[in-house]
Amino acid sequence: GAVVSQHPSWVICKSGTSVKIECRSLDFQATTMFWYRQFPKQSLMLMATSNEGSKATYEQGVEKDKFLINHASLTLSTLTVTSAHPEDSSFYICSARDTINQPQHFGDGTRLSIL
Amino acid sequence: KQEVTQIPAALSVPEGENLVLNCSFTDSAIYNLQWFRQDPGKGLTSLLLIQSSQREQTSGRLNASLDKSSGRSTLYIAASQPGDSATYLCAVLGSNYQLIWGAGTKLIIKP
Repeated sequence: GAVVSQHPSWVICKSGTSVKIECRSLDFQATTMFWYRQFPKQSLMLMATSNEGSKATYEQGVEKDKFLINHASLTLSTLTVTSAHPEDSSFYICSARDTINQPQHFGDGTRLSIL
Repeated sequence: KQEVTQIPAALSVPEGENLVLNCSFTDSAIYNLQWFRQDPGKGLTSLLLIQSSQREQTSGRLNASLDKSSGRSTLYIAASQPGDSATYLCAVLGSNYQLIWGAGTKLIIKP
């Protein structure tokens, strides 16, 4: 079945570091990719949506200069958390789909801990 | 504004029982509805996708139904197993092409 690979699964780094998370669709075209953030025991919160080759659309309250998204190919999107601080610590999950008639598939998430 | 509600919020049943999880949505103008499971500390696994024109989808022991006019979907799990323990999420794809999520049902299957 369709697989979305997200890497790394766990990151611990110092405050002020920039962290890049990769999201790849392994056997389908990820025309649209999504980045979510999830706090403990809470629902997914959509951060941004990106279509291949276009700039990402950010949800209200999400700083685009803080969370840089690149979706340069049909199989790869990256999220870079720039100058990360402890409040950025969270569980980040990427998701991808081809068309709206296809299921949306999710990566296994990245747990980011900023010290 | 679309709202998705899942009932119950938590459910604990003995192994082997059949069970039903419920999902309701307020706006029937949806493209599709998708059921997911999430294990603790993990991402989401897509279980079933029902297009707005469909009534049900089946995959193994799972059967999902959709009644768009009444804004309801159910996920039926037959012969439950401890490995089915997880949080089950339903989400509808609305007119903005984004998934709108329910809060989930936390399911525990007792051995």
